[in-house]
Amino acid sequence: GAVVSQHPSWVICKSGTSVKIECRSLDFQATTMFWYRQFPKQSLMLMATSNEGSKATYEQGVEKDKFLINHASLTLSTLTVTSAHPEDSSFYICSVLQGDTEAFFGQGTRLTVV
Amino acid sequence: GEDVEQSLFLSVREGDSSVINCTYTDSSSTYLYWYKQEPGAGLQLLTYIFSNMDMKQDQRLTVLLNKKDKHLSLRIADTQTGDSAIYFCAETGFQKLVFGTGTRLLVSP
Repeated sequence: GAVVSQHPSWVICKSGTSVKIECRSLDFQATTMFWYRQFPKQSLMLMATSNEGSKATYEQGVEKDKFLINHASLTLSTLTVTSAHPEDSSFYICSVLQGDTEAFFGQGTRLTVV
Repeated sequence: GEDVEQSLFLSVREGDSSVINCTYTDSSSTYLYWYKQEPGAGLQLLTYIFSNMDMKQDQRLTVLLNKKDKHLSLRIADTQTGDSAIYFCAETGFQKLVFGTGTRLLVSP
């Protein structure tokens, strides 16, 4: 199956700064990637669908100006958390869908904003 | 909209069978999945079932699907301590996955 690499796996940043998270599909060309967020002891929530070469589609309640998504190539999507605040601390996971059958996930990025 | 529900917690003894249940609401779901999440890690796909199937078996894992009741279950035979994790069921809407709340499985020796 597809191999998805996410970087960094762990980051601490100061409140007010921006953090970029990369999601790479290493062996599969992904026109679509998905970004999820998981708060402690809660389920994954889809934040946005990242489309190569076009604007991302954001789920209701997700601020597109705060969570900037860039999908510039078929193998790379980035999520930038702008002006991060402690309430943005979470586990962020990207995934790619291979056909309709299998979703492959990155290892996740734990963001802590202090 | 879509809604996927699971019980939050399950505790079993090593060697017993574990059954994790999931209910969903979207009758148009094409595929239903089970994922395993170990602490601090991404999700690992365990198995999936196509919506026109009733059962799928893969080694120690058995998935049962009752499409009429929109009920999905994952049975783990001979549960081991290494199976301790959070298990998520998920269903596909239109190309996106909708996840359940996750069931924390604790396996005691």
